[in-house]
Amino acid sequence: DIQLTQSPSFLSASVGDRVTITCRASQGISSYLAWYQQKPGKAPKLLIYAASTLQSGVPSSFSGSGSGTEFTLTISSLQPEDFAIYFCQQLNSYPLTFGGGTKVEIK
Amino acid sequence: EVQLVESGGGLVKPGGSLRLSCAASGFTFSSYSMNWVRQAPGKGLEWVSSISSSSSYIYYADSVKGRFTISRDSAKNSLFLQMNSLRAEDTAVYYCARESRSRDSFDYWGQGILVIVSS
Repeated sequence: DIQLTQSPSFLSASVGDRVTITCRASQGISSYLAWYQQKPGKAPKLLIYAASTLQSGVPSSFSGSGSGTEFTLTISSLQPEDFAIYFCQQLNSYPLTFGGGTKVEIK
Repeated sequence: EVQLVESGGGLVKPGGSLRLSCAASGFTFSSYSMNWVRQAPGKGLEWVSSISSSSSYIYYADSVKGRFTISRDSAKNSLFLQMNSLRAEDTAVYYCARESRSRDSFDYWGQGILVIVSS
């Protein structure tokens, strides 16, 4: 099974900060990586697919990069509505797996 | 507008069974692979099962293999998850999710349904 390790698991940041979250895969997954945002009591929302493609309707302040085993999600300027938990997911092979999540909180 | 609405959750005793349903609308259901994902209270996301558009390919997480069965009815635009031999560790919010046509994301999710396994 492919393990996804997200770091950090928690980060405290201020509005306007640039934030980067890393997702490392235990083996190569090409670009079959997606990023999701989840707010309390809500379903996850797709932000980025194919490692770097922005989902329609998602602000351009979000970007993704990487391929193979190392991936990053960057928020260029953190907004109040961006405080949430972020998950990565690999869709390269079954079983599909998610990273453990990164909780972004207000400093 | 794409909509996925889960139903069938609730409280069940260990060893019991439950059948979850997911009603799909706003897209051609028969053209998409579908998935179940769960989230235990305060925990991360866990993929549970996938079914291809024609039901030809079905996959399960090891944690549910042999106990859960995924199925779909394209005539009713519905996805199902039959859960048997339920355990306390199956307690979670269960989401149905549509897989994108390019198979590189889950692009739409339902609101989730809570399943509690407890005596």
